Amino acid sequence: AQKITQTQPGMFVQEKEAVTLDCTYDTSDQSYGLFWYKQPSSGEMIFLIYQGSYDEQNATEGRYSLNFQKARKSANLVISASQLGDSAMYFCAMRFQGAQKLVFGQGTRLTINP
Amino acid sequence: DSGVTQTPKHLITATGQRVTLRCSPRSGDLSVYWYQQSLDQGLQFLIQYYNGEERAKGNILERFSAQQFPDLHSELNLSSLELGDSALYFCASSVAGSRGTEAFFGQGTRLTVV
Repeated sequence: AQKITQTQPGMFVQEKEAVTLDCTYDTSDQSYGLFWYKQPSSGEMIFLIYQGSYDEQNATEGRYSLNFQKARKSANLVISASQLGDSAMYFCAMRFQGAQKLVFGQGTRLTINP
Repeated sequence: DSGVTQTPKHLITATGQRVTLRCSPRSGDLSVYWYQQSLDQGLQFLIQYYNGEERAKGNILERFSAQQFPDLHSELNLSSLELGDSALYFCASSVAGSRGTEAFFGQGTRLTVV
Protein backbone atom coordinates (compact mmCIF):
# COMPACT_ATOMS: atom_id res chain seq x y z
CA ALA A 1 0.00 0.00 0.00
CA GLN A 2 1.16 3.51 -0.75
CA LYS A 3 1.38 5.39 2.50
CA ILE A 4 3.02 8.42 4.08
CA THR A 5 3.92 8.38 7.75
CA GLN A 6 4.81 11.32 9.95
CA THR A 7 5.64 9.92 13.36
CA GLN A 8 5.95 13.20 15.27
CA PRO A 9 2.51 14.58 16.17
CA GLY A 10 4.11 17.60 17.80
CA MET A 11 7.51 19.20 18.19
CA PHE A 12 8.75 22.06 20.33
CA VAL A 13 11.92 23.87 19.32
CA GLN A 14 13.76 26.94 20.56
CA GLU A 15 13.94 29.87 18.20
CA LYS A 16 17.05 29.89 15.98
CA GLU A 17 17.60 26.17 16.36
CA ALA A 18 17.45 23.83 13.39
CA VAL A 19 14.58 21.36 13.30
CA THR A 20 14.05 18.12 11.41
CA LEU A 21 10.55 16.87 10.65
CA ASP A 22 10.36 13.19 9.82
CA CYS A 23 8.55 11.61 6.89
CA THR A 24 8.69 8.05 5.66
CA TYR A 25 6.83 6.56 2.76
CA ASP A 26 5.93 3.20 1.41
CA THR A 27 5.83 2.51 -2.30
CA SER A 28 7.18 0.09 -4.87
CA ASP A 29 7.06 2.78 -7.56
CA GLN A 30 10.32 3.94 -9.09
CA SER A 31 9.06 7.35 -10.11
CA TYR A 32 7.40 9.56 -7.57
CA GLY A 33 7.50 13.03 -6.11
CA LEU A 34 7.73 14.19 -2.51
CA PHE A 35 6.34 17.45 -1.24
CA TRP A 36 6.27 19.41 1.99
CA TYR A 37 3.54 21.88 2.85
CA LYS A 38 3.11 24.30 5.73
CA GLN A 39 -0.30 25.05 7.17
CA PRO A 40 -0.35 28.00 9.60
CA SER A 41 -3.25 28.59 11.95
CA SER A 42 -4.96 30.67 9.27
CA GLY A 43 -5.50 27.43 7.35
CA GLU A 44 -3.93 27.91 3.95
CA MET A 45 -1.62 25.24 2.52
CA ILE A 46 1.73 26.68 1.53
CA PHE A 47 4.02 24.72 -0.77
CA LEU A 48 7.56 24.58 0.63
CA ILE A 49 9.74 22.16 -1.27
CA TYR A 50 9.70 19.33 -3.80
CA GLN A 51 11.97 16.32 -4.38
CA GLY A 52 11.71 13.96 -7.33
CA SER A 53 12.65 10.34 -6.85
CA TYR A 54 15.26 10.56 -9.60
CA ASP A 55 16.79 13.80 -8.32
CA GLU A 56 20.32 13.06 -7.18
CA GLN A 57 20.73 16.22 -5.14
CA ASN A 58 18.68 17.02 -2.06
CA ALA A 59 16.27 19.86 -2.73
CA THR A 60 16.79 23.19 -1.01
CA GLU A 61 14.62 26.31 -0.86
CA GLY A 62 16.01 29.05 1.33
CA ARG A 63 15.92 27.83 4.95
CA TYR A 64 14.22 24.60 3.90
CA SER A 65 16.04 21.52 2.75
CA LEU A 66 14.87 18.01 2.14
CA ASN A 67 17.00 15.15 3.44
CA PHE A 68 16.08 12.49 0.88
CA GLN A 69 17.24 8.96 1.64
CA LYS A 70 15.77 6.80 -1.08
CA ALA A 71 16.94 3.45 0.25
CA ARG A 72 15.39 4.22 3.63
CA LYS A 73 12.29 5.70 1.97
CA SER A 74 12.53 8.83 4.02
CA ALA A 75 12.16 12.48 3.07
CA ASN A 76 12.76 14.58 6.15
CA LEU A 77 12.30 18.33 6.10
CA VAL A 78 15.06 20.39 7.70
CA ILE A 79 14.36 23.98 8.71
CA SER A 80 17.49 25.90 9.58
CA ALA A 81 17.54 28.83 12.02
CA SER A 82 13.91 28.45 13.03
CA GLN A 83 11.75 31.54 13.47
CA LEU A 84 8.58 32.18 15.47
CA GLY A 85 6.68 32.36 12.18
CA ASP A 86 7.61 28.74 11.46
CA SER A 87 5.07 27.61 14.06
CA ALA A 88 2.50 25.68 12.03
CA MET A 89 1.36 22.24 10.91
CA TYR A 90 3.68 20.61 8.41
CA PHE A 91 2.53 17.98 5.98
CA CYS A 92 4.58 15.58 3.93
CA ALA A 93 2.88 14.46 0.74
CA MET A 94 3.64 12.16 -2.14
CA ARG A 95 2.62 11.91 -5.74
CA PHE A 96 2.91 8.30 -6.84
CA GLN A 97 3.80 7.04 -10.29
CA GLY A 98 1.01 7.43 -12.79
CA ALA A 99 -1.13 9.42 -10.40
CA GLN A 100 -1.60 13.15 -10.15
CA LYS A 101 -3.20 13.33 -6.73
CA LEU A 102 -1.24 13.88 -3.56
CA VAL A 103 -1.36 11.51 -0.61
CA PHE A 104 -0.70 13.27 2.68
CA GLY A 105 0.76 12.23 5.98
CA GLN A 106 -0.96 13.02 9.27
CA GLY A 107 1.08 16.14 9.83
CA THR A 108 3.42 17.42 12.54
CA ARG A 109 2.56 20.46 14.63
CA LEU A 110 5.71 22.51 15.10
CA THR A 111 5.90 25.10 17.84
CA ILE A 112 8.82 27.51 17.99
CA ASN A 113 9.47 28.91 21.45
CA PRO A 114 11.10 32.32 21.94
CA ASP B 1 -0.20 34.16 -2.86
CA SER B 2 -0.39 30.79 -4.63
CA GLY B 3 -2.43 32.14 -7.54
CA VAL B 4 -5.27 29.71 -6.84
CA THR B 5 -8.46 31.50 -5.81
CA GLN B 6 -11.24 29.91 -3.83
CA THR B 7 -14.56 31.41 -2.92
CA PRO B 8 -16.16 31.76 -0.50
CA LYS B 9 -13.64 31.61 2.34
CA HIS B 10 -16.27 30.70 4.90
CA LEU B 11 -19.67 29.10 4.54
CA ILE B 12 -22.19 28.26 7.21
CA THR B 13 -25.26 26.31 6.21
CA ALA B 14 -27.85 23.97 7.62
CA THR B 15 -28.12 20.23 7.30
CA GLY B 16 -29.87 19.08 4.15
CA GLN B 17 -28.82 22.12 2.17
CA ARG B 18 -26.71 22.34 -0.99
CA VAL B 19 -23.66 24.54 -1.51
CA THR B 20 -21.25 25.30 -4.33
CA LEU B 21 -17.58 25.97 -3.81
CA ARG B 22 -15.66 27.72 -6.54
CA CYS B 23 -12.04 27.53 -7.61
CA SER B 24 -10.00 29.47 -10.16
CA PRO B 25 -6.69 27.75 -10.93
CA ARG B 26 -3.37 29.45 -11.53
CA SER B 27 -2.99 30.91 -14.98
CA GLY B 28 -1.88 28.17 -17.35
CA ASP B 29 -2.72 25.26 -15.06
CA LEU B 30 -5.04 22.77 -16.71
CA SER B 31 -5.49 20.46 -13.75
CA VAL B 32 -7.67 21.13 -10.75
CA TYR B 33 -7.87 18.96 -7.64
CA TRP B 34 -10.26 19.06 -4.73
CA TYR B 35 -9.27 17.95 -1.25
CA GLN B 36 -11.15 17.74 2.01
CA GLN B 37 -9.46 18.31 5.35
CA SER B 38 -11.31 17.15 8.43
CA LEU B 39 -10.15 16.46 11.97
CA ASP B 40 -10.84 12.75 11.81
CA GLN B 41 -9.87 11.97 8.20
CA GLY B 42 -7.00 14.36 7.65
CA LEU B 43 -6.36 15.56 4.09
CA GLN B 44 -8.20 13.43 1.58
CA PHE B 45 -8.23 13.68 -2.20
CA LEU B 46 -11.71 14.02 -3.63
CA ILE B 47 -11.49 14.47 -7.37
CA GLN B 48 -9.31 15.77 -10.21
CA TYR B 49 -10.23 17.47 -13.45
CA TYR B 50 -7.92 18.03 -16.36
CA ASN B 51 -8.90 20.47 -19.10
CA GLY B 52 -12.57 19.92 -18.46
CA GLU B 53 -12.51 16.15 -18.10
CA GLU B 54 -12.67 14.11 -14.93
CA ARG B 55 -9.25 12.48 -14.53
CA ALA B 56 -9.28 10.76 -11.14
CA LYS B 57 -11.67 10.13 -8.30
CA GLY B 58 -10.86 9.63 -4.68
CA ASN B 59 -12.97 9.42 -1.56
CA ILE B 60 -15.79 11.54 -2.91
CA LEU B 61 -19.30 10.89 -1.67
CA GLU B 62 -22.14 10.43 -4.15
CA ARG B 63 -23.75 13.54 -2.67
CA PHE B 64 -20.76 15.51 -3.94
CA SER B 65 -20.04 16.38 -7.54
CA ALA B 66 -17.66 18.62 -9.40
CA GLN B 67 -17.06 20.04 -12.81
CA GLN B 68 -14.48 22.09 -14.66
CA PHE B 69 -15.65 24.70 -17.10
CA PRO B 70 -14.12 25.80 -20.44
CA ASP B 71 -12.42 28.73 -18.72
CA LEU B 72 -10.84 26.09 -16.41
CA HIS B 73 -12.47 27.24 -13.22
CA SER B 74 -14.02 24.46 -11.20
CA GLU B 75 -16.95 24.05 -8.88
CA LEU B 76 -17.53 21.50 -6.15
CA ASN B 77 -21.18 20.90 -5.37
CA LEU B 78 -22.10 19.43 -2.01
CA SER B 79 -25.71 18.41 -1.47
CA SER B 80 -27.87 16.95 1.30
CA LEU B 81 -25.30 18.26 3.71
CA GLU B 82 -24.65 16.48 6.97
CA LEU B 83 -22.87 17.64 10.11
CA GLY B 84 -19.93 15.41 9.19
CA ASP B 85 -19.37 17.35 5.98
CA SER B 86 -18.04 20.26 8.00
CA ALA B 87 -14.43 20.59 6.89
CA LEU B 88 -11.90 22.72 5.10
CA TYR B 89 -12.16 22.19 1.36
CA PHE B 90 -9.12 22.93 -0.74
CA CYS B 91 -8.67 23.38 -4.42
CA ALA B 92 -5.23 22.90 -5.93
CA SER B 93 -3.94 23.32 -9.44
CA SER B 94 -0.92 22.16 -11.38
CA VAL B 95 0.38 21.65 -14.86
CA ALA B 96 -0.63 18.02 -15.17
CA GLY B 97 1.45 15.66 -17.21
CA SER B 98 4.81 17.01 -16.13
CA ARG B 99 6.76 14.99 -13.64
CA GLY B 100 7.63 17.01 -10.61
CA THR B 101 5.14 19.78 -10.93
CA GLU B 102 4.04 21.36 -7.71
CA ALA B 103 0.44 21.45 -6.67
CA PHE B 104 -0.46 24.93 -5.47
CA PHE B 105 -3.34 25.23 -3.07
CA GLY B 106 -5.94 27.89 -2.65
CA GLN B 107 -6.74 29.32 0.77
CA GLY B 108 -9.58 26.89 1.24
CA THR B 109 -13.27 27.18 1.97
CA ARG B 110 -14.22 26.44 5.54
CA LEU B 111 -17.64 24.81 5.51
CA THR B 112 -19.63 24.58 8.70
CA VAL B 113 -22.84 22.58 8.65
CA VAL B 114 -25.16 23.31 11.58
